[in-house]
Amino acid sequence: QLTQSPASLSASVGDAVTITCRASQDIRTYLAWYQQKPGKAPRLLISAASTLHGGVPFRFSGSGFGTEFTLIIDNLQPEDFATYYCQQLTDYSWTFGQGTKVEFK
Amino acid sequence: QITLKESGPTLVKPTQTLTLTCTFSGISVTTNGVGVGWIRQPPGQALEWLAVVYWDEDKRYSPSLESRLTITRDTSKSQVVLTLTNVDPVDTATYFCVFSDFMAVPAALIHWGQGFLVTVAS
Repeated sequence: QLTQSPASLSASVGDAVTITCRASQDIRTYLAWYQQKPGKAPRLLISAASTLHGGVPFRFSGSGFGTEFTLIIDNLQPEDFATYYCQQLTDYSWTFGQGTKVEFK
Repeated sequence: QITLKESGPTLVKPTQTLTLTCTFSGISVTTNGVGVGWIRQPPGQALEWLAVVYWDEDKRYSPSLESRLTITRDTSKSQVVLTLTNVDPVDTATYFCVFSDFMAVPAALIHWGQGFLVTVAS
């Protein structure tokens, strides 16, 4: 199981936002983060808990190990308003968090 | 360049079997660490992982749907096929084909198809 919070948040351009994912068992760093915009496929942001995927802006960062993980978006930009998902890999099976919708305040 | 494209019926009747095909290019599904799988997303809801087939033909399924799912791979056609039996309106969703490569990017889904909307209705 993967518990993601909050389900939604309101923020303004320039804000820093934090999204948390909690795993029900130790998954080391087998966690990824995705961004999804309406009508589009998700886009990989971060793999292995903290590795920024190619082309992803440096204002995105991930951290964590074991059961607690965090995605931070610094200096929120207009194009960052979207839904974010965490995803874990355990025993070669995948699980997603329930998503966090980042909305404009 | 890696591409993944989903195809299949857009409308399926309840109790029927849904068969979806992912046609891919630019990847070798028999390379160590590679997996191709399926994710779905009901309208307005979260992503849900369904199944994956790995480079060594190992297959994994979502525990909640395992009894209804089958994933197969045809390397000669560059396709991965997902079947979902006994569909219900709750299976209405956009279905995504996804690619992972543990050797390149550990534990993440690097590439996604554009998604394919399937509606289950009588």
